[in-house]
Amino acid sequence: VLLVQSGAEVKKPGESLKISCKASGYIFTNYWIGWVRQMPGKGLEWMGIIYPGDSDTRYSPSFQGQVTISVDKSITTAYLHWNNLKPSDTAIYYCARTAKGWLDPWGQGTLVTVSS
Amino acid sequence: QSALTQPPSTSGSPGQSVTISCTGTSSDVGGYNYVSWYRQYPGKAPRLMIYEVNKRPSGVPDRFSGSKSGNTASLTVSGLQAADEADYYCSSYAGSDNWVFGGGTKLTVL
Repeated sequence: VLLVQSGAEVKKPGESLKISCKASGYIFTNYWIGWVRQMPGKGLEWMGIIYPGDSDTRYSPSFQGQVTISVDKSITTAYLHWNNLKPSDTAIYYCARTAKGWLDPWGQGTLVTVSS
Repeated sequence: QSALTQPPSTSGSPGQSVTISCTGTSSDVGGYNYVSWYRQYPGKAPRLMIYEVNKRPSGVPDRFSGSKSGNTASLTVSGLQAADEADYYCSSYAGSDNWVFGGGTKLTVL
């Protein structure tokens, strides 16, 4: 089981961005995929989860309306999308396979830097 | 929902045991048996160490164990080794399709 994320991004405030998480080694539509944020020097934060089987998506209240989680099951890939990036979005973003709350395995992380 | 409460740091000598606590409420840790623990080395992605309170994924040494009493979950690392030095995070289901992490604990092996 492997999750491989897209590479680091440097963006300006107000820009949009979509990062990806490519899954392999298991039946993609049988497990939820979760996204987790880690701001510089800080702890982990649940952002939301998506079920690739039917694209059912649940957001943490802190991230509802701030990001969009989506999936393309034809290429076993999940996405995290921003429409209007802010400097406070600067963080490492991880995807992970999840079921009953456990996250395993994790992708390697995508560093997103938002700076003018 | 608020983050779960973990001690910022703890330490132990090689061979000793350390226990890291994770305190929540009856709405998260106390209400569900969906507590998991993660180890994170600097600059690396976290790794699942314990799930559903006390289950170990394949490949995790039995030196790692989990438990729960009331609103507090615990991770115990026995027979401390230098490689155990890392940040540890707990996580719990918090109802209504929400999940919450603890603030993390830095474990130092003296």
